[in-house]
Amino acid sequence: EAQVTQNPRYLITVTGKKLTVTCSQNMNHEYMSWYRQDPGLGLRQIYYSMNVEVTDKGDVPEGYKVSRKEKRNFPLILESPSPNQTSLYFCASSSLAVRANTDTQYFGPGTRLTVL
Amino acid sequence: DAKTTQPTSMDCAEGRAANLPCNHSTISGNEYVYWYRQIHSQGPQYIIHGLKNNETNEMASLIITEDRKSSTLILPHATLRDTAVYYCIVRFFNDMRFGAGTRLTVKP
Repeated sequence: EAQVTQNPRYLITVTGKKLTVTCSQNMNHEYMSWYRQDPGLGLRQIYYSMNVEVTDKGDVPEGYKVSRKEKRNFPLILESPSPNQTSLYFCASSSLAVRANTDTQYFGPGTRLTVL
Repeated sequence: DAKTTQPTSMDCAEGRAANLPCNHSTISGNEYVYWYRQIHSQGPQYIIHGLKNNETNEMASLIITEDRKSSTLILPHATLRDTAVYYCIVRFFNDMRFGAGTRLTVKP
């Protein structure tokens, strides 16, 4: 089954304690991205990656890092989490080609993060 | 900024057609109109997309006006499970900007 998986699904942590949220897709997609969703603000893109070893900032990258060492994985790293990073996070993937305009972006189930 | 304008909320009776409007007056010629929905706090789910022509799939129909400045998503026979937030997105390659969407409530 084609899917995007995220782990953990729920996480409560404390300020300053480094954490990683994993994202993996089994569709051989080149493009992957991370979003955060906050009440009243909709989904905002944090980082995206066009392919292995190629990453770029989205609209709200501050406080986050990503890496893309393998095509299927795109972990989101919070080196020193703060309470304002409490949010619902989604990973997404799609193919990236000339016809990228028409390729569906698949979303993971979400990770609810609380930073105390 | 999202390039689309949608009503904040709508209600629909179960079994009736749900018509969700979207304005995208600044859409450019190579941008597609996409619709996603999000049930509770699950990951957004793809519904349908189109460029110029009307489109239909097993989930919905998409009607795009001739000038492409607006579109309507039609769920032909809404069920309680269709209660969700529906996002209309103007997409250029992988640049997808989600707005606030329309909260559709299907009532028995």
